[in-house]
Amino acid sequence: GAGVSQSPRYKVAKRGQDVALRCDPISGHVSLFWYQQALGQGPEFLTYFQNEAQLDKSGLPSDRFFAERPEGSVSTLKIQRTQQEDSAVYLCASSLLTSGRADTQYFGPGTRLTVL
Amino acid sequence: GDSVTQMEGPVTLSEEAFLTINCTYTATGYPSLFWYVQYPGEGLQLLLKATKADDKGSNKGFEATYRKETTSFHLEKGSVQVSDSAVYFCALSEKGNNRLAFGKGNQVVVIP
Repeated sequence: GAGVSQSPRYKVAKRGQDVALRCDPISGHVSLFWYQQALGQGPEFLTYFQNEAQLDKSGLPSDRFFAERPEGSVSTLKIQRTQQEDSAVYLCASSLLTSGRADTQYFGPGTRLTVL
Repeated sequence: GDSVTQMEGPVTLSEEAFLTINCTYTATGYPSLFWYVQYPGEGLQLLLKATKADDKGSNKGFEATYRKETTSFHLEKGSVQVSDSAVYFCALSEKGNNRLAFGKGNQVVVIP
């Protein structure tokens, strides 16, 4: 079956531009996560949705970062007024269940954002 | 906060050699522990997991045992293949918290 998909795969933005990154989770998956992965580092948690509710946004690095999942399926991560330090790979993951810390998260291929 | 520490640096070894990648963790409770793998050009995928002390996760010849006394979850494989070349990430999630906390990852290169 189809896995998690993300678009675009690559994005180049000029400093100060706004960007929007899309995630299509696996159909029927309730939970959706966004992570940021800097070069040579492990992914860092940004935010978590259960259906359309954003239950945890404690990892968002600044108020320039905003995420939504209005219908409980597709999610968009928006970064306003991009800065060079925003350059990273943005990963989306989804999981089937709403609870259970051992739920497997399925990751998309990521969007590589480069801010010039 | 919760954190995961992986051994520094890439790992280069010959085919059929024994592989160990060290992972230790810091957590306030009793986390679940994971190893994720990222093959070249592909996304992260779960390799194995363990949810309580002394559990052993295994998959594709890889094993890791949840050691509460040493707060460790070291990954091992007895005989690596070239196809095992990838980046390996250790991760944890705390009870009641769905997010994953990852280590920095280890690049493994297996040469024929």
